[in-house]
Amino acid sequence: GAVVSQHPSWVICKSGTSVKIECRSLDFQATTMFWYRQFPKQSLMLMATSNEGSKATYEQGVEKDKFLINHASLTLSTLTVTSAHPEDSSFYICSASDRGVFGSGTRLTVV
Amino acid sequence: GEDVEQSLFLSVREGDSSVINCTYTDSSSTYLYWYKQEPGAGLQLLTYIFSNMDMKQDQRLTVLLNKKDKHLSLRIADTQTGDSAIYFCAERYSGGYQKVTFGTGTKLQVIP
Repeated sequence: GAVVSQHPSWVICKSGTSVKIECRSLDFQATTMFWYRQFPKQSLMLMATSNEGSKATYEQGVEKDKFLINHASLTLSTLTVTSAHPEDSSFYICSASDRGVFGSGTRLTVV
Repeated sequence: GEDVEQSLFLSVREGDSSVINCTYTDSSSTYLYWYKQEPGAGLQLLTYIFSNMDMKQDQRLTVLLNKKDKHLSLRIADTQTGDSAIYFCAERYSGGYQKVTFGTGTKLQVIP
């Protein structure tokens, strides 16, 4: 079946540094990828929609300069958390648009 | 706007059936999903139903959809301790990029 591979599974970084999260669609092409974040004990919140070859569409309240999304190919989308702060610590998950398939998630801890 | 709601918590005894409920507001949804999330893990797709269906059964899982009332339920038969997790319902819309909106999640606790 369709699989979305997400890396890394977890990452700890220092405040002020940047972290890149990758999502790859295996065995299928993902024209559109969604990026979600989940705070502890809360539901998933859509951050942005990334489309191959064009700019991402961000949800209201999500800083596009802080959460850089690149979707350079039909099988790879990346989310870069720039100048990370402790409040960015969260669980980030990607999903391909036309499948109900998610990546395994990335737990980011900023210290 | 789109809104998906679930009860926050459900506790059942091992061997009993669990029923997790979900209500949604947007009638233009095309697919409705159930996901399972174990502690510290990503989402696992359990099952989904097309909006033109009213029931789907997959082994121990039964999904019921009442489109008129915008109500979705997941029944887990013979609930096991390994079923303890958070369950999210989600709906996918027919418009735009077909984004998926999630419910708040129901924490299922299975008592041995």
